[in-house]
This record gives sequence, structure tokens and C-alpha cells, in this order.
Amino acid sequence: GESVGLHLPTLSVQEGDNSIINCAYSNSASDYFIWYKQESGKGPQFIIDIRSNMDKRQGQRVTVLLNKTVKHLSLQIAATQPGDSAVYFCAENPFSTSGTYKYIFGTGTRLKVLA
Amino acid sequence: EAGVTQFPSHSVIEKGQTVTLRCDPISGHDNLYWYRRVMGKEIKFLLHFVKESKQDESGMPNNRFLAERTGGTYSTLKVQPAELEDSGVYFCASSQANYNEQFFGPGTRLTVL
Repeated sequence: GESVGLHLPTLSVQEGDNSIINCAYSNSASDYFIWYKQESGKGPQFIIDIRSNMDKRQGQRVTVLLNKTVKHLSLQIAATQPGDSAVYFCAENPFSTSGTYKYIFGTGTRLKVLA
Repeated sequence: EAGVTQFPSHSVIEKGQTVTLRCDPISGHDNLYWYRRVMGKEIKFLLHFVKESKQDESGMPNNRFLAERTGGTYSTLKVQPAELEDSGVYFCASSQANYNEQFFGPGTRLTVL
């Protein structure tokens, strides 16, 4: 397993508030984007994905927004709970240019939920 | 259904030694990926298998790394000889089809002293 890194940007949110985690991606040709959550000692866990033909997608308590103009992705978590505390990674798949399905990950953001 | 499993969870070796990491993907998943996270940096792609064939190994750092997936089931990643900069967490992921969500294992933390 893994303990999360020590130098990640951190977002502290009061329990019950909404969280917004941002990510800038690198490749304008990327056509698939994913958000992963990683808790200490565990591997990345899928949260939500979005394809480039969409600008918004909603899941249970989570919403992903995609702004292709500025290559920006965000994850919104409604009514943040203590169990949401983790490191969140965005990932992109530039399949249209790479021809492969490898993911390119961002550096991650640590979310701390305050009681 | 069992998820992706990796063995060992931790490995501590000395520089120059050999280490073999193992990944068991989700049953029925033809696609298997190796990634690693070094020194708290971003997770980086190493390679992608489709069944037993290497589809993309563009992320393999050098020829000290050898990945295999004989029989198209589990995969091994061997580092020989290990160097200090190889320390990090090695993740394995699998997917049913190559365009589907990738499911990650818990990772193997490798420490090279």
C-alpha cells in the first residue's frame, strides 16, 4: 500500500460544506477524463469520468466539470463527509493522439474534512 | 468479485538486488497496466498488456525493468538491478476493454537502500 505524499496541495473543508477540487490537464487532444480517490494504504479508486463531448456529468454527491477551452477539470463534492478525506487525482487519456489507453495523472490534491 | 491484487505490499531491498512484483488482475480483464509513483510525484504510466502482448511499453524507464504476462493472466514486473531512484509505489490496474475504466490494485511500495 501507499501513504500519501507530503507535499501535495491541500484543501481543508468543513464537514457538510461543498468541496471543489481543480485540475489542469496537459493535452488538448485528450478525450477521456477520470477522477480517482486514493485513501492511505489503498490504490486509486474510480469516482467519476467524463468524455470530451460533455462539459458536465453528475454522480452521487459528485459532479465533474470539463472546460476544454482552458484545459480545466474540476470535481465538486456535495455535503463533504469525513470519509471523503483522501488524495484526489485527475487523469486524462489522450487516445486520439497517443493511440493507447494509458492515463496521464495530475499531481493530486489532499482533501481534509474538518469536523 | 475480487479486485486487483498485488504482491508484495512492501519490499525493501539494497541497491543492485533484484525484485519481482506481481499483479493479479480482475478475472476476465484482458487489459493490464503498470504505473508507478516516485517520490510523491504524479502517478506515471509504465506499460500496457492486452492479454499476453505488450500493447504499449513507452513508459518503461530503462532496460532494468522487465514486465511479463505469460498466459495472459497475472503479470510480473522485475527490476534488475535495482537503483535508488526506483523507490516508489508500483500500481497495477486492469480493465475489461481497453476503453473502459481501469481498476487499480493497492500498490507495492518498493524501497531501494
